[in-house]
Amino acid sequence: NAGVTQTPKFQVLKTGQSMTLQCAQDMNHNSMYWYRQDPGMGLRLIYYSASEGTTDKGEVPNGYNVSRLNKREFSLRLESAAPSQTSVYFCASSDYLSETQYFGPGTRLLVL
Amino acid sequence: QQQVKQSPQSLIVQKGGISIINCAYENTAFDYFPWYQQFPGKGPALLIAIRPDVSEKKEGRFTISFNKSAKQFSLHIMDSQPGDSATYFCAASNLPGGKLIFGQGTELSVKP
Repeated sequence: NAGVTQTPKFQVLKTGQSMTLQCAQDMNHNSMYWYRQDPGMGLRLIYYSASEGTTDKGEVPNGYNVSRLNKREFSLRLESAAPSQTSVYFCASSDYLSETQYFGPGTRLLVL
Repeated sequence: QQQVKQSPQSLIVQKGGISIINCAYENTAFDYFPWYQQFPGKGPALLIAIRPDVSEKKEGRFTISFNKSAKQFSLHIMDSQPGDSATYFCAASNLPGGKLIFGQGTELSVKP
């Protein structure tokens, strides 16, 4: 089992460019999450999907969109990147009834 | 109030010493309190978790102490080792299926 995988590992964008961060899990989990991690700010929830076909905003959704493509995959899109979106992005998944969230290795994004 | 406040932001401990990280929460509906451990370049991983019906939970060298009346909980790492050097996040949620609210993180360095 690969667990939670994320691509790419690292990306540099120019302001205004768009990109999609990909996430997949092979644990048959219902719920998936996107977080961003910034120094001194902890992990902040951007969007989550409680189950296939549903998505909801988290704490910091502005500037992002998501797609729950199927049960395995949950993508995060930046339509017009801004320097404030420079961060490390983590995808996570959990079974709806389980407390534990399993995190991917992260995508380090730099917006110039 | 959904915040979880974590302190200290950074901590240096000598090998063999005790590391203590504290968290405080406001929302009395929270009923699940996990701690996540994150090594550099990796995603966070669940370390230990507690429910409010007990005041303490111990797993090896790691102990969570929980004070429901004070709305505080803490992580104690006994006999701290250099391999424990990592960033630690406390979190809280209400189950089932509740979103995790993370603290700001504590960067622990254990000196040999």
